[in-house]
Amino acid sequence: GAGVSQSPRYKVAKRGQDVALRCDPISGHVSLFWYQQALGQGPEFLTYFQNEAQLDKSGLPSDRFFAERPEGSVSTLKIQRTQQEDSAVYLCASSQAITNEQFFGPGTRLTVL
Amino acid sequence: GESVGLHLPTLSVQEGDNSIINCAYSNSASDYFIWYKQESGKGPQFIIDIRSNMDKRQGQRVTVLLNKTVKHLSLQIAATQPGDSAVYFCAENKYGSTLGRLYFGRGTQLTVWP
Repeated sequence: GAGVSQSPRYKVAKRGQDVALRCDPISGHVSLFWYQQALGQGPEFLTYFQNEAQLDKSGLPSDRFFAERPEGSVSTLKIQRTQQEDSAVYLCASSQAITNEQFFGPGTRLTVL
Repeated sequence: GESVGLHLPTLSVQEGDNSIINCAYSNSASDYFIWYKQESGKGPQFIIDIRSNMDKRQGQRVTVLLNKTVKHLSLQIAATQPGDSAVYFCAENKYGSTLGRLYFGRGTQLTVWP
């Protein structure tokens, strides 16, 4: 069966450009999470959705980061005016419910030049 | 502050040996822990979990031990194979806190030599 998919897998952006990262969760999964993973570090929480509702965005590092999940399925993480410090792997995870196992996608590696 | 961290950044073992990967946490209120395996270019993959009302849990070739007294978690891999080479993370999920968000440690790079 299909797991969590993310696109693009790799993105190179010039500093100041806007980027949009897509996550397709496992069908039927209610919960969706975004994490940021810097090189050599563990993933760090960015934001959480339950269906279409964004219930926690406390991990978003600045107001340049915005996430949405308008129909409770696909989610998009948008980063405006990218900076070099935004370079990282962005991971999406989904689960059937809050307390269930989180399944991770392969991530999008963002490089900001 | 709250943190989940690892004692060793790297671990090298011979194929067939047992591996032990350690993790420390600082929040005594933490009640759920998960071990993940992450291969290069892939997302974290669930290995095994344990709740705070247990001190040991076994899976296929893996065992997780939880010592709440010293706030220590370990992952034991029996008969380590080259396919086990990856970065291993412990993660913490605190029920009653922010809706299932995971707190990850830095990770241990496990290398298995043939």
